[in-house]
Amino acid sequence: DGGITQSPKYLFRKEGQNVTLSCEQNLNHDAMYWYRQDPGQGLRLIYYSQIVNDFQKGDIAEGYSVSREKKESFPLTVTSAQKNPTAFYLCASSISGQSVSYNEQFFGPGTRLTVL
Amino acid sequence: KDQVFQPSTVASSEGAVVEIFCNHSVSNAYNFFWYLHFPGCAPRLLVKGSKPSQQGRYNMTYERFSSSLLILQVREADAAVYYCAVCQNRDDKIIFGKGTRLHILP
Repeated sequence: DGGITQSPKYLFRKEGQNVTLSCEQNLNHDAMYWYRQDPGQGLRLIYYSQIVNDFQKGDIAEGYSVSREKKESFPLTVTSAQKNPTAFYLCASSISGQSVSYNEQFFGPGTRLTVL
Repeated sequence: KDQVFQPSTVASSEGAVVEIFCNHSVSNAYNFFWYLHFPGCAPRLLVKGSKPSQQGRYNMTYERFSSSLLILQVREADAAVYYCAVCQNRDDKIIFGKGTRLHILP
């Protein structure tokens, strides 16, 4: 069964702690993305990676970090520098980071992070 | 600034055709995408393209700077958030609108 998995579904952390959100895909997609969703804000791009060992900042990258050491994995670390980390985080992938115009993004089920 | 605009809410009665409008200010935009999102689940692509297209009950209109998603014979189960997104060719990024919440009237 091909798809994108994100774990855990719900995550709680204390303020000041770093936390890493997992995203794995077995679709053999080159490109992967992280979005953040807040009420009334829609989906905002945090980071994206068009190919292994390469990634670019999205619109709201401050306070976040990523790595792309393997094609199937794109973990997102929410650092203590992120001012408002409580949100719903969605990971997505697409066949290729090039020719995005025709490539559908497939989304994972999301992780809801709550910082106490 | 590259942005995608869509209404925050739309309401419709069951059985009707509902239209959700989207326009953008994205430079070098190429394609529209319409996603369905039930909160807490993975967003799902409904329809996409750079010309009018249809997938089941979902129709997409296309103009260079705007698109509408039409949902035919709307049902209570269609109550969700619908995202319009536009692909920006230059940066190979997809820019999402803020989403439109569809309410089904009793």
